[in-house]
Amino acid sequence: QQQVKQSPQSLIVQKGGISIINCAYENTAFDYFPWYQQFPGKGPALLIAIRPDVSEKKEGRFTISFNKSAKQFSLHIMDSQPGDSATYFCAAAADRGSTLGRLYFGRGTQLTVWP
Amino acid sequence: DAGVTQSPTHLIKTRGQQVTLRCSPKSGHDTVSWYQQALGQGPQFIFQYYEEEERQRGNFPDRFSGHQFPNYSSELNVNALLLGDSALYLCASSERWNEKLFFGSGTQLSVL
Repeated sequence: QQQVKQSPQSLIVQKGGISIINCAYENTAFDYFPWYQQFPGKGPALLIAIRPDVSEKKEGRFTISFNKSAKQFSLHIMDSQPGDSATYFCAAAADRGSTLGRLYFGRGTQLTVWP
Repeated sequence: DAGVTQSPTHLIKTRGQQVTLRCSPKSGHDTVSWYQQALGQGPQFIFQYYEEEERQRGNFPDRFSGHQFPNYSSELNVNALLLGDSALYLCASSERWNEKLFFGSGTQLSVL
């Protein structure tokens, strides 16, 4: 059973456009929601993360929107650039006291930004 | 400051063989987690180590085992390899009280 459901599977955006990737979860124990970016041949790299006590977090061109009641969160990439072309993963985890619990990843979104 | 380093980068094995993958965490990190990433999929949690003990385990059979050494480095061992074990194996490290995970570039394992 997929703990975190991610859509779309692939996304094509024109340079300068907005890329939007959505994720949904069921487990209400989740309280940490990161987004990772992965380039071919590399491991995932943390982009931005959010906790449920806020509804939005922005870092540069990247914004996470979080809807606790709907159990959904999304990544918005503003002014998308060809260098943003990569696979993006949402994930979720539950704190376990002094250490972070396992991360449950979505299946990923392949983003292509056309110049 | 070196990040998470994994070795080897690529490995080819045949069914039934055993394999050992190695990971050195980022400097200052004491917790190591291992993930399996099949082609076109998100990473799947295998297990997590700190203080040289397995602390959490995902839904993987006992053929998958690990170890953490006093210097915080870690090994992942897989016995009786199956074709389905072909994947990218990722090591991630963190500080125990810090939620940020740093991933290595992985070991690409091919089982023939």
